[in-house]
Amino acid sequence: SAVISQKPSRDICQRGTSLTIQCQVDSQVTMMFWYRQQPGQSLTLIATANQGSEATYESGFVIDKFPISRPNLTFSTLTVSNMSPEDSSIYLCSVVRGGQETQYFGPGTRLLVL
Amino acid sequence: DQQVKQNSPSLSVQEGRISILNCDYTNSMFDYFLWYKKYPAEGPTFLISISSIKDKNEDGRFTVFLNKSAKHLSLHIVPSQPGDSAVYFCAASQIQGAQKLVFGQGTRLTINP
Repeated sequence: SAVISQKPSRDICQRGTSLTIQCQVDSQVTMMFWYRQQPGQSLTLIATANQGSEATYESGFVIDKFPISRPNLTFSTLTVSNMSPEDSSIYLCSVVRGGQETQYFGPGTRLLVL
Repeated sequence: DQQVKQNSPSLSVQEGRISILNCDYTNSMFDYFLWYKKYPAEGPTFLISISSIKDKNEDGRFTVFLNKSAKHLSLHIVPSQPGDSAVYFCAASQIQGAQKLVFGQGTRLTINP
């Protein structure tokens, strides 16, 4: 498995502001993803974070709202921009190592927007 | 369009007995399936997976069964232990390599002493 950390672990933010969430892995990985889990819901893929290029977004998610960076093979950030209460969720990063088939998740960032 | 469905939001099982969690899917292109366990305030923890070329995979107390014709998979936990109490998610992907996982809604399993 991989050791994955996320910062912050939780935050309370005011509407209209932005929050950047960091995901750090203990070793190089081939794939990194960002998911959202809204209250009482399942996990939904936001985007695939591509190293050195623009992220690949899923239907319903756009770069202006969720800009993503992945400057190297162990680190990625997700920004939740111009937040509204509907953005209150748990945001999780996940990784896949080369040659493996299993996706491992970070501990998540619990976001509450007032 | 819910491509992966877990129709039981909760399940209660006596300690020592078998827990059976079910999952159905609609997309016949899915070829890799995973089960995750999630405790409150933690990220999902990988439990076990199965490729579409198999119909069973076993790892200790956990066994996953896949019925491709019925588009159904199940997770068996035997014997069930109090520490197994958590929310269980099944997930599926079209691409080998666990990319772009589609998750079910989750089933909350409670193991009673």
